[in-house]
Amino acid sequence: NAGVTQTPKFQVLKTGQSMTLQCAQDMNHNSMYWYRQDPGMGLRLIYYSASEGTTDKGEVPNGYNVSRLNKREFSLRLESAAPSQTSVYFCASSRLAGTTDTQYFGPGTRLTVL
Amino acid sequence: GNSVTQMEGPVTLSEEAFLTINCTYTATGYPSLFWYVQYPGEGLQLLLKATKADDKGSNKGFEATYRKETTSFHLEKGSVQVSDSAVYFCALKDNFNKFYFGSGTKLNVKP
Repeated sequence: NAGVTQTPKFQVLKTGQSMTLQCAQDMNHNSMYWYRQDPGMGLRLIYYSASEGTTDKGEVPNGYNVSRLNKREFSLRLESAAPSQTSVYFCASSRLAGTTDTQYFGPGTRLTVL
Repeated sequence: GNSVTQMEGPVTLSEEAFLTINCTYTATGYPSLFWYVQYPGEGLQLLLKATKADDKGSNKGFEATYRKETTSFHLEKGSVQVSDSAVYFCALKDNFNKFYFGSGTKLNVKP
């Protein structure tokens, strides 16, 4: 049981380049989330998908787009990377929105934008 | 708006010492409260949770009690081990299923 997987683990981009971070879960969870983690700021929600076919903005959505490709996969796209987007990105999933279910996290993607 | 505040680290303790990491929250409605732990190079893992006032979450010797009157969810452990060294995050989940995380507290346990 792999849980939540993320690719790539590390990425270096130049300002203005684009890339997509991939996330997949094999727990049949309905809800998926993208966070960024910056030093001293904890995790901040970028986008989430309460169920397949829906996506909603979180706390810091600017500069990002998401796609809930199917129930398993939720990708995060940076169309034109900026140094301010240097961060560690975590994907998470939970069984069902609107309940007390917890979230399960992937191992993270460390992104550096030069 | 909703928010979580936890004590700044790092916290450095000797093995077998008592641990307290303070966490307070601001939220409307009736949130659920969580403690997550992050080991180096890994994602966050759920440590414990409490879903209503006066509930006590516990796991691996850690415990925290949901105190609505003081809006707190402090993490405690009676005797820490070197293997407990990690970053600990307090979090709340609101009635709209959104999570809010504190900034994290790094714990260093020395042998």
